[in-house]
Amino acid sequence: EDQVTQSPEALRLQEGESSSLNCSYTVSGLRGLFWYRQDPGKGPEFLFTLYSAGEEKEKERLKATLTKKESFLHITAPKPEDSATYLCAVQAEGGSEKLVFGKGTKLTVNP
Amino acid sequence: DAMVIQNPRYQVTQFGKPVTLSCSQTLNHNVMYWYQQKSSQAPKLLFHYYDKDFNNEADTPDNFQSRRPNTSFCFLDIRSPGLGDAAMYLCATSRDWGASYNEQFFGPGTRLTVL
Repeated sequence: EDQVTQSPEALRLQEGESSSLNCSYTVSGLRGLFWYRQDPGKGPEFLFTLYSAGEEKEKERLKATLTKKESFLHITAPKPEDSATYLCAVQAEGGSEKLVFGKGTKLTVNP
Repeated sequence: DAMVIQNPRYQVTQFGKPVTLSCSQTLNHNVMYWYQQKSSQAPKLLFHYYDKDFNNEADTPDNFQSRRPNTSFCFLDIRSPGLGDAAMYLCATSRDWGASYNEQFFGPGTRLTVL
């Protein structure tokens, strides 16, 4: 069974304090790994897709990386507006479009 | 802007009273999904449509049904809501089945409360 585990469950940072969020996954064959941002009471907002080990993608203060077992979302010099829950999801090979999500990491950035 | 729209944003119903949630999209995507997300939990896929082809997840209760009358609209019907069905319901779309770069784009969600 495909599984996604995110850690930590919650993370508090001071503004400007860089850190990383982890997404460990078990999947029969990885077709894609997706990162989403979710604000309270809203739907997930797409951030990145990673397809193969070694791939990296960047957007503003966020950088996502991928290995064969896990993905990291690095946050450089975060700002309070980066506060949100970050969700990781995997899509397995085999034709299904199904995303299997982790429970997310709730990030709080204090000014 | 192309987007996924959900109505209503907040829905209150009574125990056992049928309720319908709606989703529309202007992205012209072929695939539409319904997810259930309970507080502090991962979104859980209920079912999806590829065009008019309906695909139910094995563990989705029979109480949940869906309709897709055309490419743009999709409905989630909960026939007899129970207290355990209170959750955020998320609609998502993706461009095509089996395509590369096939990200799912989500609507803002409908928060369902069951009294």
